[in-house]
Order: sequence, then structure tokens, then C-alpha cells
Amino acid sequence: DGGITQSPKYLFRKEGQNVTLSCEQNLNHDAMYWYRQDPGQGLRLIYYSQIVNDFQKGDIAEGYSVSREKKESFPLTVTSAQKNPTAFYLCASSSSRDRVEGTDTQYFGPGTRLTVL
Amino acid sequence: AQSVAQPEDQVKVAEGNPLTVKCTYSVSGNPYLFWYVQYPNRGLQFLLKYITGDNLVKGSYGFEAEFNKSQTSFHLKKPSALVSDSALYFCAVRDMIRMDSSYKLIFGSGTRLLVRP
Repeated sequence: DGGITQSPKYLFRKEGQNVTLSCEQNLNHDAMYWYRQDPGQGLRLIYYSQIVNDFQKGDIAEGYSVSREKKESFPLTVTSAQKNPTAFYLCASSSSRDRVEGTDTQYFGPGTRLTVL
Repeated sequence: AQSVAQPEDQVKVAEGNPLTVKCTYSVSGNPYLFWYVQYPNRGLQFLLKYITGDNLVKGSYGFEAEFNKSQTSFHLKKPSALVSDSALYFCAVRDMIRMDSSYKLIFGSGTRLLVRP
């Protein structure tokens, strides 16, 4: 978990609310990712960003939005359009050097558990 | 399409015994394979990766993995299990479809390892 922080650790959302999950890294990594983890399903990619001010949809982007205004920060907003947002959310980052080598080792933050009330 | 499978939801071993967590993959081209470990309510921690070269890869915490091309497997192993090894283990494969200048990781559904004292 070192170098990547996520906050809050636990988050509760009411129906119809937007909430924003924070992800910060001090590893000087170019690429950042958001995943959703549900029991028994592994991790699914929501959004990713290779550079500042640019990001791309992953496999399950509907109901989510992101921004990448700074290299070290990649916040995720879970909007009211996300029908089943209760899950464990993981942020990750990877080095441009790893991408040049083609290995893409992703390093993960500690996660945020979101629960809809 | 690239895929990875973890055929066992759970593996139980006694402390001091060797452990194996299974992973099989399906890729076009050369595979890049990863193992991660997740402790309760924590993010994923990188254990090891296979890129090329020796079929036996050594990683963190005494873990190693054996790449077997003919069996398309990448099983995680440890000669002597510890109770503290009890966690959720994920195998992942790099997706060969480039995302801009990077690659997507595809994760298995995870295997829960329980080490009995």
C-alpha cells in the first residue's frame, strides 16, 4: 500500500447522492487506475488515466466519472446513475518505465468501502 | 481475448506444509503474468511477475510461481506455509490489447488461502 493513499476508508451514501473517492500517489507514476471489487468476482476496471488531463473508460464506466488535473491525484465520483454502487473500490498506479518494458506492474492503494444506505 | 482462471475458490493447508494456489491462462502471444495478495479490507500487494526467462519466478514473502507453457499454468507456491499467509490471492494476465500506451490487467476471481495452525 505504500505510496498510494485512498480516503475515506469507509463511505456511506444515501440514494441519489454523488460521492467522491480520493486517490493520491507520491510514486511519480504516470498511469492511474480505478477498479471495483465485488465478492467472488475479482477486480473490474472502471477508468484509467495515462497522463494529466486525459482518461479513458474501462469495462464498467457507466455511473462513474473521474478527473486527472494533477499527476498525483485521480479522484473517482460515484454518481446517482450507478445503480449498484456498494462495493470495495481500489485505486492503482503504474510506472512509465514499466510500460516501456511492457510489464505494467500496478501498485494498489488500501481501498475505500462504499455502502449505499 | 485474454483470460485467466483460478479454479479453486479456497485452499486449506496446515502450517508448515507446502502450498499451491492454481492459475491457468489463455492468451494470444507471450503471456505476462502476475500474482497479488489481498489481506482483509486492504488493497492488493504485488507478489511476483513472469515476463520471460526462467520458468520459476521468486517473489515476496518466500512465494514463488512456476510458469508452464505447455499446461498454460502459473501456479503460486510456497515450501512452508505460515498462518500469516492466510489471505485472498489473485492471478492476473496482461491484456494484449493496448490501452493507449499501456496494457490492461485481467484478474482472476481470487482464491482464498486458509493456513491452519
